[in-house]
Amino acid sequence: DIQVTQSPSSLSASVGDGVTITCRASRNIGRSLNWYQQKPGKAPKVLIYAASTLQSGVPSRFSGSGSGTDFTLTISSLQPEDFAIYYCQQSYNTPSITFGQGTRLEIK
Amino acid sequence: EVQLVQSGAEMKKPGESLKISCKGSGNTFTNYWIGWVRQMPGKGLEWMGIVYVVDSDTRYSPSFEGQVTISVDKSISTAYLQWSSLKASDTAVYFCARLGYYEILTGNPPVPQYYYYLDVWGEGTTVTVS
Repeated sequence: DIQVTQSPSSLSASVGDGVTITCRASRNIGRSLNWYQQKPGKAPKVLIYAASTLQSGVPSRFSGSGSGTDFTLTISSLQPEDFAIYYCQQSYNTPSITFGQGTRLEIK
Repeated sequence: EVQLVQSGAEMKKPGESLKISCKGSGNTFTNYWIGWVRQMPGKGLEWMGIVYVVDSDTRYSPSFEGQVTISVDKSISTAYLQWSSLKASDTAVYFCARLGYYEILTGNPPVPQYYYYLDVWGEGTTVTVS
């Protein structure tokens, strides 16, 4: 199984700050890495797929990069609605899928 | 509008059986895989398994193999997740999600390469076993 490890597990930041979350895969997964946002009591929502492609409707302050084993999600200027939990997910050996452990982004 | 609508919250006792559903609308189901994700209280997302609507091919995460059964009835665009004997540790929110894909052509001659992601999600079904 391919494992994905996210860091940090939690992060505090202020509105207007830029933040970066990283995800590392246990082996080369090319660009088969997706990012999701989850707010309390809601289903996750895809933000970025194929490592760097922004899902339709997602603000451009979100961006993804990386390939192989190391990936990042960057939020360039935090807005109040961005405080949530973020998950990475590998789909290299679809339909076998794994999620990262999640990163809780909190308001400082 | 493409959406997945899940069945309502369930409260069960240990040892009881349960089958929850996930119904697609619009063109949600045709030629797609539909997966299930568990989220235990205060915890992260766990991949349970997935079913291909066209031929009911089903794959399970090793952690859930033998613990649950995933199925689909394509005639009514509905996927299912069922337990034969619930445990207290099955208490969680269960999400269904469609495995969408993004196709790009690479190489010469061009060959399609697919990137898969969970593009449509149900609202979640809360299962409480106590």
